[in-house]
Amino acid sequence: AQSVTQLDSHVSVSEGTPVLLRCNYSSSYSPSLFWYVQHPNKGLQLLLKYTSAATLVKGINGFEAEFKKSETSFHLTKPSAHMSDAAEYFCVVSGGNNNDMRFGAGTRLTVKP
Amino acid sequence: NAGVTQTPKFRVLKTGQSMTLLCAQDMNHEYMYWYRQDPGMGLRLIHYSVGEGTTAKGEVPDGYNVSRLKKQNFLLGLESAAPSQTSVYFCASSYDGSFFYEQYFGPGTRLTVT
Repeated sequence: AQSVTQLDSHVSVSEGTPVLLRCNYSSSYSPSLFWYVQHPNKGLQLLLKYTSAATLVKGINGFEAEFKKSETSFHLTKPSAHMSDAAEYFCVVSGGNNNDMRFGAGTRLTVKP
Repeated sequence: NAGVTQTPKFRVLKTGQSMTLLCAQDMNHEYMYWYRQDPGMGLRLIHYSVGEGTTAKGEVPDGYNVSRLKKQNFLLGLESAAPSQTSVYFCASSYDGSFFYEQYFGPGTRLTVT
C-alpha cells in the first residue's frame, strides 16, 4: 500500500523568492516519485521524477526535488518564483504492479507581484 | 504528435442520462488510465487497461464502465449519470506498467450532472 501527503494545501510567495512545496510519502515498495504541475483548466504536466538514481532530481523550469528516504519526503523547491509558476502541484508515488500511482491532494501555489 | 486527446471537453448531463468519454493516444502506449479529479482530493483512478482488449478496476470504479477495443483508444462510459459523478475526468497513458515510467495526461473533460 502507498499514499502521499502534501503538507500544505496552499502556498503563497512573492515573485523572486524561494518556493518550497512539501510532500511526504508512504510505500511498501521502493517507490518512484513524481511532481506534476497543473495550470488552470489544463491537464497535468510532468515536472520531474525520482526513480532510484540520484536523490537530487532536477526538473523543468528550474524546479528540483530531493528524495530523503530516512524522512520519507520528496519536497519540491525552486530558488526564485516566477509569476508563471502559479498553478496546482501534485506529488505522486508509484510502485508495485501496473504502475499504481497515488496522488496527493495538491498544493496551490500563488505568486504575488 | 498530439499526445493524449480527450473528447468532449465539456458536457452537462441530466441525472439518469448516459454518455461516453473518448480518450485517444498516438504514442503507442500499452497502458491507459481514467481518473477523476475532485477538489481537495487529487486524482483517483477509476479504471485502467494494460493492453488492447483488457481492462481492470481502479480505486473508484462504481458507476463506470470502460472498453479498449483498439490500442490507441480507451472509452469511459456512464450508464446512468448521478450528481456524484460531477467531476473533471482525465485520461492518461504510459509506455508500460513499470513504476518508473511517467504517465502522460490529456487536457480533461469537465462533466456536470444536474
